Formats: sequence, C-alpha cells, structure tokens
Amino acid sequence: QGQLVQSGAEVRKPGASVKVSCKASGYIFTEYDITWVRQVAGQGLEWVGWVSSDNSKANYAHNLQDRVTMTADTSTSTAHMELKSLTSADTAVYYCVREHRVYYYGMDVWGQGTTVTVSS
Amino acid sequence: IVMTQSPLSLSVTPGEPASISCRSTQSLLHSSGSNYLDWYLQKPGRSPQLLIYLNSNRASGVPDRFSGSGSGTHFTLTISRVEADDVGVYYCMQALQTPGTFGQGTKLELK
Repeated sequence: QGQLVQSGAEVRKPGASVKVSCKASGYIFTEYDITWVRQVAGQGLEWVGWVSSDNSKANYAHNLQDRVTMTADTSTSTAHMELKSLTSADTAVYYCVREHRVYYYGMDVWGQGTTVTVSS
Repeated sequence: IVMTQSPLSLSVTPGEPASISCRSTQSLLHSSGSNYLDWYLQKPGRSPQLLIYLNSNRASGVPDRFSGSGSGTHFTLTISRVEADDVGVYYCMQALQTPGTFGQGTKLELK
C-alpha cells in the first residue's frame, strides 16, 4: 500500500522561502520517485516537479525552475520541496505523490496536502 | 502538451451512465504501445486519487463501473452507473512527457 504524510500548513511573507516535507512509509522508498503537484484554491492541478528517490535527478516546471528545489533523503524516506522568492501566486495546496521508478502504474499514492499561504 | 476536457460540468441521475472526454494536442501513444493517459478523481475536500492509468487500467480498488478508452489524442472516461460516491472533479493527465499536464477538470454532480 504505502502512505505519504506531509508537513503542516505554512504562512510566509512575500519574498520568503518555504520548505515542505513528505515522509513515506509502508513501502520501499527507493522503488518510487516523488512528484509534486499544486492546486490554487478553486482551480485545477498543476505539475510542479519531480525528484528521483535516490536524489540523482530532478525536473521542474518551466515557470518555477529558477525558484524550486526538490530533494530526496533515503535515510529518512523523506522528500522535500523548497520554493524561494514567494509571491501571492504561490498560495496553494502542495501535494506530493509517488510514481514507480521502473513500471508506470500512475501516480497512485498521494499525500494529504500542505497549504502554503503567502501574505504580507 | 495541452489537455482539454469536456464537458467542464456534468449533472447525472444516480444509476445513469456518464462520460468525460479528454483531448491532447499531441499523441500520447508511447513506443511500447501504451497510451500515457491517466484519470484522477478529487472528491470534495480530499487529495486526488488515481482511477485509471495508461488509458484503460483501473487502479487498485477502483470499481469496474469505471473504464477508460481511446488512443492517440482522444480519450474517454466512462462511468457505467453513477453512484453518490462518484461526486467530485475528474482530471485527465498526460504522463508521456515532462512536465505532466492536466486537463481543466470536469465537475460531476448528482441530479
């Protein structure tokens, strides 16, 4: 089965940074990579980026690649997403979700979401 | 790759069928022969959940009322008999290329 548990809600001022964590359990962490998806309130889903579970590769959305960094820590089975130079447009719920490294079975386990609010 | 869903909202009587269309601006057919198209459902106040992967494969625990079909650039999610638990927003997503891209979502509600 598997489970992804994310860190709690965050409030930041414009220009600040935020780091969201995503702890995996119930499965072998290195068999799945982690994708991050965000959702502005009342809107659709937006792919933010992807990090390999061995932390060797990452790929980011073009509109965020200068401000986002994703990492994975195999010692703690935890993935992290850091977003810098925040603006109000970054206010959203951020989800982590796993994806098998070898065989594609879809994005089958989602975290509960972390609300990031950017406000002065 | 741009994904376009229709309709954007759907009102269905319980027990009746429903279908959602999803079109992509590029073919999602991989050299393996699989179409890299998924369907997700986001129930009110919940995280999205996987329904269908690679066009027609139901995820674990998904009722067989849900089916996916299509190929290339045109895909369809069909619910054979809508139930109350099916209410929410349905998204298609292409997983062929990075970045993955989602459709706008189709909101299903009951009549």
